[in-house]
Amino acid sequence: DVKVTQSSRYLVKRTGEKVFLECVQDMDHENMFWYRQDPGLGLRLIYFSYDVKMKEKGDIPEGYSVSREKKERFSLILESASTNQTSMYLCASSSRLAGEVGELFFGEGSRLTVL
Amino acid sequence: AQSVTQLDSQVPVFEEAPVELRCNYSSSVSVYLFWYVQYPNQGLQLLLKYLSGSTLVKGINGFEAEFNKSQTSFHLRKPSVHISDTAEYFCAVSDWTDKLIFGTGTRLQVFP
Repeated sequence: DVKVTQSSRYLVKRTGEKVFLECVQDMDHENMFWYRQDPGLGLRLIYFSYDVKMKEKGDIPEGYSVSREKKERFSLILESASTNQTSMYLCASSSRLAGEVGELFFGEGSRLTVL
Repeated sequence: AQSVTQLDSQVPVFEEAPVELRCNYSSSVSVYLFWYVQYPNQGLQLLLKYLSGSTLVKGINGFEAEFNKSQTSFHLRKPSVHISDTAEYFCAVSDWTDKLIFGTGTRLQVFP
């Protein structure tokens, strides 16, 4: 069964801490994405990557950075966490095959609370 | 720029009743359209997608959606819902890439 695994389901951090959210996929997908999900706002794209060591800004990249050193792993980094970054973070991956466009596979999410 | 509007934030319905979840989009280019479902405490999964061809698209779990270009809509329907359909449903749009723009979601609550 295909799988996207997010390392932590729940995290509690303090303001100013550096936070790492890890995501690993086992489908050999080229594309990987980080979204945040907030009530009433839906999903908003933070960063995405179409290949190893490549990254592109999404719609709300401020306060975040990413790392993709290996094809299967995409990390989201909050350099200095703030309370307005309290949210659900969803990682997703997808294949570059033409017939599978738009078919994203999501992890179960990481709920981050910043105090 | 592309955008998606889901007109209803919540839709309550009794079991075995029909349901329609509404989605409208705006785009200056040809679009691909998607519906995703999120069950409680889970990530999202693809329900169905429209890329081209027939405007009526059938998905998993008995759902279907119709692409209407003139009305820029992609409404999701099911003729008879089950308790297990209780979930949040997201409409999404993209151009030719996998960079999806999601709507704000519609919470479907099915009552016995």
